Amino acid sequence: DTAVSQTPKYLVTQMGNDKSIKCEQNLGHDTMYWYKQDSKKFLKIMFSYNNKELIINETVPNRFSPKSPDKAHLNLHINSLELGDSAVYFCASSQDRRKRSSYNEQFFGPGTRLTVL
Amino acid sequence: AQSVTQLDSQVPVFEEAPVELRCNYSSSVSVYLFWYVQYPNQGLQLLLKYLSGSTLVKGINGFEAEFNKSQTSFHLRKPSVHISDTAEYFCAVSRPNSGYALNFGKGTSLLVTP
Repeated sequence: DTAVSQTPKYLVTQMGNDKSIKCEQNLGHDTMYWYKQDSKKFLKIMFSYNNKELIINETVPNRFSPKSPDKAHLNLHINSLELGDSAVYFCASSQDRRKRSSYNEQFFGPGTRLTVL
Repeated sequence: AQSVTQLDSQVPVFEEAPVELRCNYSSSVSVYLFWYVQYPNQGLQLLLKYLSGSTLVKGINGFEAEFNKSQTSFHLRKPSVHISDTAEYFCAVSRPNSGYALNFGKGTSLLVTP
């Protein structure tokens, strides 16, 4: 069974469109993340949610809006897509960050390759 | 703030040769350190991690890494590589004061040839 799944795997769209990427985890984790991997393969954190609460919001344009309907899902909505948004977006999840007695490994999804034309 | 530097962007190596991928970090506080591997067109897989304790960490696929606090390094090693080890390798540090999100290095592309 897939631990962290993302849909779609590939997304090709025109500039100016609005699109969403979905992420689901079946690990019972409390914390979920979105990372962006650019064309040079550099990975950077975008958002982090813990129990549906936003805890990290890096300097990401307002056009990006994460939405967490429940602990198992963290979706990424992108408005007014731009060429520079083309990248691979990875979702990840981990156990409750507040359990500081041990670090909880992050499990990554397979990624969504977004191409903006 | 924590940052990670991977000193080599590409490392070509012959099959069955040893390899070392270098990683240095900078942080004013204790950190957790990780190595991830990304095979072509796939997601990220954890190779190994250092949280505390023994500075020599063993991971999957025969990889190991050594945490060196004085040199702020966490180099990845494998004594004998296979063709199947060809992939992108990322060193990362976690941010305990900010949700444990990962700060990644820019990656090292390991190319193993016969």
